[in-house]
Amino acid sequence: DAGITQSPRHKVTETGTPVTLRCHQTENHRYMYWYRQDPGHGLRLIHYSYGVKDTDKGEVSDGYSVSRSKTEDFLLTLESATSSQTSVYFCAISYSGTSYNEQFFGPGTRLTVL
Amino acid sequence: GQNIDQPTEMTATEGAIVQINCTYQTSGFNGLFWYQQHAGEAPTFLSYNVLDGLEEKGRFSSFLSRSKGYSYLLLKELQMKDSASYLCAVRESGGSYIPTFGRGTSLIVHP
Repeated sequence: DAGITQSPRHKVTETGTPVTLRCHQTENHRYMYWYRQDPGHGLRLIHYSYGVKDTDKGEVSDGYSVSRSKTEDFLLTLESATSSQTSVYFCAISYSGTSYNEQFFGPGTRLTVL
Repeated sequence: GQNIDQPTEMTATEGAIVQINCTYQTSGFNGLFWYQQHAGEAPTFLSYNVLDGLEEKGRFSSFLSRSKGYSYLLLKELQMKDSASYLCAVRESGGSYIPTFGRGTSLIVHP
């Protein structure tokens, strides 16, 4: 199994509070991704990173920011959480972005915003 | 952009064969992935197709027709543990090359 961990695994927070989710990998993969998964929508890309300090927006980036100061860590921040951000968040990694390389997913973080 | 369509739910009997279809529309195709996701768990990679034809991997096979914008995942000798969601993801050439996921097909295997 690819070495990917996410923390916390579960979190309940209140509307308006800041939240940071952490993804940590031990594979030294260049690409890292944050997705959210909601019933009826499948996996949707929030942000991704193609190297240290290199990040870009995905399909549903509004209300989220990311940072990657080290190869192994990719942080997702909700500056002011809203109920619409209640979801399951998955981090993923891949060796390369363009050639045949599947994504490996972390165990997920279940976030509830009250 | 991409439009990826999969059936929402399918049911099948243990020991049978089931085919899960995925259709897509894209301006520049660059590969199609299938993932399996058990309830409450992370998706895991099953197969990858970039050329037309069938890729076989044990009980699972994946087929691609680029001209028709069509793929299917074939599961043989179904087992109860195959009850899961199956996600089709399509990668487009140009841009970020990051696959876009369909909404997934929930497969329920009955004894």
